[in-house]
Amino acid sequence: DTAVSQTPKYLVTQMGNDKSIKCEQNLGHDTMYWYKQDSKKFLKIMFSYNNKELIINETVPNRFSPKSPDKAHLNLHINSLELGDSAVYFCASTSGNTIYFGEGSWLTVV
Amino acid sequence: QQPVQSPQAVILREGEDAVINCSSSKALYSVHWYRQKHGEAPVFLMILLKGGEQKGHEKISASFNEKKQQSSLYLTASQLSYSGTYFCGTESSAGGTSYGKLTFGQGTILTVHP
Repeated sequence: DTAVSQTPKYLVTQMGNDKSIKCEQNLGHDTMYWYKQDSKKFLKIMFSYNNKELIINETVPNRFSPKSPDKAHLNLHINSLELGDSAVYFCASTSGNTIYFGEGSWLTVV
Repeated sequence: QQPVQSPQAVILREGEDAVINCSSSKALYSVHWYRQKHGEAPVFLMILLKGGEQKGHEKISASFNEKKQQSSLYLTASQLSYSGTYFCGTESSAGGTSYGKLTFGQGTILTVHP
């Protein structure tokens, strides 16, 4: 059983399109995140949700909109995709001390 | 503020030891260590919560010097499976709006050769 699963794993899309990445965790955790890892491997937090409530929003452009329908799901919708959005997006969850990452979604904007 | 890791890259032969350092300009509540293999997700190694604490798992251990705002990861008698990029993640306060907010270092690439 995959603890944190995200789809799709690979996504190639054109500039200007809108796309979504879905994430689900079956660990019963209250807190979920979206992290972005760029081409230089820099891993940066984007959003954090605790029990469906947004608690961290790290000055991400408002083209990025997270949605948490329940505490097991945290989806990421991106509008008007730009070349600079190309990266690996990791969903993650935690119950406290350990953060469990999903396998990542490789987004390429062409 | 992003913690700074050193060195940026390490190349070892199997059986050799390595130390990876992580320094922060902010007072730290906790330090987490993760390893990421190419094309995979970061995987949790350990967390250090108290100043001066040292934790270990088999031949990988870490220390946390709260006063110096530093942590070090020690890899002893390295194995091929240790290859990957090691990240430290720091948390500068407990709970509240920064709950679970880890700021990651830039990573240290460790390569172990036979």
